Amino acid sequence: EAGVTQSPTHLIKTRGQQATLRCSPISGHTSVYWYQQALGLGLQFLLWYDEGEERNRGNFPPRFSGRQFPNYSSELNVNALELEDSALYLCASSRRGQLVQETQYFGPGTRLLVL
Amino acid sequence: KQEVTQIPAALSVPEGENLVLNCSFTDSAIYNLQWFRQDPGKGLTSLLLIQSSQREQTSGRLNASLDKSSGRSTLYIAASQPGDSATYLCAVRPDQGGKLIFGQGTELSVKP
Repeated sequence: EAGVTQSPTHLIKTRGQQATLRCSPISGHTSVYWYQQALGLGLQFLLWYDEGEERNRGNFPPRFSGRQFPNYSSELNVNALELEDSALYLCASSRRGQLVQETQYFGPGTRLLVL
Repeated sequence: KQEVTQIPAALSVPEGENLVLNCSFTDSAIYNLQWFRQDPGKGLTSLLLIQSSQREQTSGRLNASLDKSSGRSTLYIAASQPGDSATYLCAVRPDQGGKLIFGQGTELSVKP
């Protein structure tokens, strides 16, 4: 069974540009989660999508947004990039996120560097 | 506000030792606690998930315990191997909002 996949693996942008990160969940999973792992800040929750809807978001500005497609894959968009957005962005998936007992499985991440 | 702390931040042991990693959380109202492993520059690998009603979970050489009332979890690794070298993260699920709250991790190095 294929795991969570993310693309691209690395992304280099300059300040003010937009970045688009993509995630494909494990087959059969309907929930997708996005996390940011910035140096020195640890892993922080960004967004949760389930059944095509945004269910929850973390304490991040509105320039962090995303969507979930009918095939449950997801896209994270970061507008007006700032230097501090440089981080490893991790996507996770689970079966039906409303079931709190479900394990979240993580992808390999996209490393975003903002110059 | 839920906070998760992991002690120690780094640990170096010789191969073959049994070891314990600690995780504490400030609010005992959690749904579950999950232990992960992260290799340098990589994503997270789920190791064990303990539901709030459970006391422990085992997988191979790994055993995780949970004491909700005291806000603590431990990950026990038996007969450590160099391949166990990685950063170990614990995370709690505080509510139905989907998010996990992570500790800062313990960086483990197992020397041959």
